[in-house]
Amino acid sequence: DAGVTQSPTHLIKTRGQQVTLRCSPKSGHDTVSWYQQALGQGPQFIFQYYEEEERQRGNFPDRFSGHQFPNYSSELNVNALLLGDSALYLCASSQGHPGFGEQYFGPGTRLTVT
Amino acid sequence: QKEVEQNSGPLSVPEGAIASLNCTYSDRGSQSFFWYRQYSGKSPELIMFIYSNGDKEDGRFTAQLNKASQYVSLLIRDSQPSDSATYLCAVSDSNYQLIWGAGTKLIIKP
Repeated sequence: DAGVTQSPTHLIKTRGQQVTLRCSPKSGHDTVSWYQQALGQGPQFIFQYYEEEERQRGNFPDRFSGHQFPNYSSELNVNALLLGDSALYLCASSQGHPGFGEQYFGPGTRLTVT
Repeated sequence: QKEVEQNSGPLSVPEGAIASLNCTYSDRGSQSFFWYRQYSGKSPELIMFIYSNGDKEDGRFTAQLNKASQYVSLLIRDSQPSDSATYLCAVSDSNYQLIWGAGTKLIIKP
């Protein structure tokens, strides 16, 4: 049983550029949540997708957007990158909505903005 | 501002002893409570979840919930060096938002 997968593992971008991160949920899960985790901090909730719609959103600007596909996989897009966007981006999958019960995390994407 | 608070640590515990990790939350309407373990450089891993007042045991781990006092704790019995990690408390509040603590760093000393 494949767990949650994310790609790429690491990414280096320049300020002002755009980035797309990808996530495939655990088999049987239909809800995907995205988090940003800075060093030494807990994860910060970005948004959650269920049935291809953004269902909940944390306190992140519109530069952060996403998409969920019919196969439940998801993308996180960040436009106009800032130095402060450097972080570990985590995808978590779960079952149902609101999907915060028993989330399983992918390995994360480490984004560095220079 | 809804908050989940944890002592950042580090909490140092001798091997074989009981490690006790605590978490308090501000929203009385919170529904669900989760403990995650995160090794350095890795993603969080779900250890325990608890929905009702009282204790819930799973192997060496026991989660304790007291909604009246708004705290949730995690006990680790017979602590092993492999338990050394950061433990994150997450709380699903009355709006079904998941609020995370900053984590407690646990060090098990051989």
